[in-house]
Amino acid sequence: AQSVAQPEDQVNVAEGNPLTVKCTYSVSGNPYLFWYVQYPNRGLQFLLKYITGDNLVKGSYGFEAEFNKSQTSFHLKKPSALVSDSALYFCAVRDKAGNTGKLIFGQGTTLQVKP
Amino acid sequence: DGGITQSPKYLFRKEGQNVTLSCEQNLNHDAMYWYRQDPGQGLRLIYYSQIVNDFQKGDIAEGYSVSREKKESFPLTVTSAQKNPTAFYLCASSMSDRTRTEAFFGQGTRLTVV
Repeated sequence: AQSVAQPEDQVNVAEGNPLTVKCTYSVSGNPYLFWYVQYPNRGLQFLLKYITGDNLVKGSYGFEAEFNKSQTSFHLKKPSALVSDSALYFCAVRDKAGNTGKLIFGQGTTLQVKP
Repeated sequence: DGGITQSPKYLFRKEGQNVTLSCEQNLNHDAMYWYRQDPGQGLRLIYYSQIVNDFQKGDIAEGYSVSREKKESFPLTVTSAQKNPTAFYLCASSMSDRTRTEAFFGQGTRLTVV
């Protein structure tokens, strides 16, 4: 079965420091991977995706993610965190097996950036 | 202004009552989805539709029903058979190339049983 894991419930980082939010996946074949951000009582906003090509993917708001096939990981990164980056982050993988297009989500990681 | 609109933002349901959550999109997307979000559990798929007049059950469809009479609309009914309906409900849509493109989400409806 396809799945995504986010091993950290919460990540704390000081403003201006680099941040990493971890994601690992388990899929058959090549994965289509996505990162979303959610602010309180709001919907999910798309940040970036990996489909194919360059392993380093750049996205919105200065975020980037590194696809590592050997480690089956897709960690979200940002060189310098902002207080406004504090939110809930979800990693997701597309269900390719049944071609339903549904996204399979991780449990989410709360990012707390302190001034 | 393109996007997905969910209404209402907050909804209160009495025991034994059916309620319907609205989801409308003007993105011309073929596929639409309903997810349920509970704290610490991520998002779980309730129903999805890949084309008008067709829909399939997701992972937690029991106690829910949907319809897809128009491309733009995918309403979700939470029936009295759903024993624990209090949650945050999110609607999403995707282009026809469903696997490679990202899904767009509405702002959600928070349903509370009173």
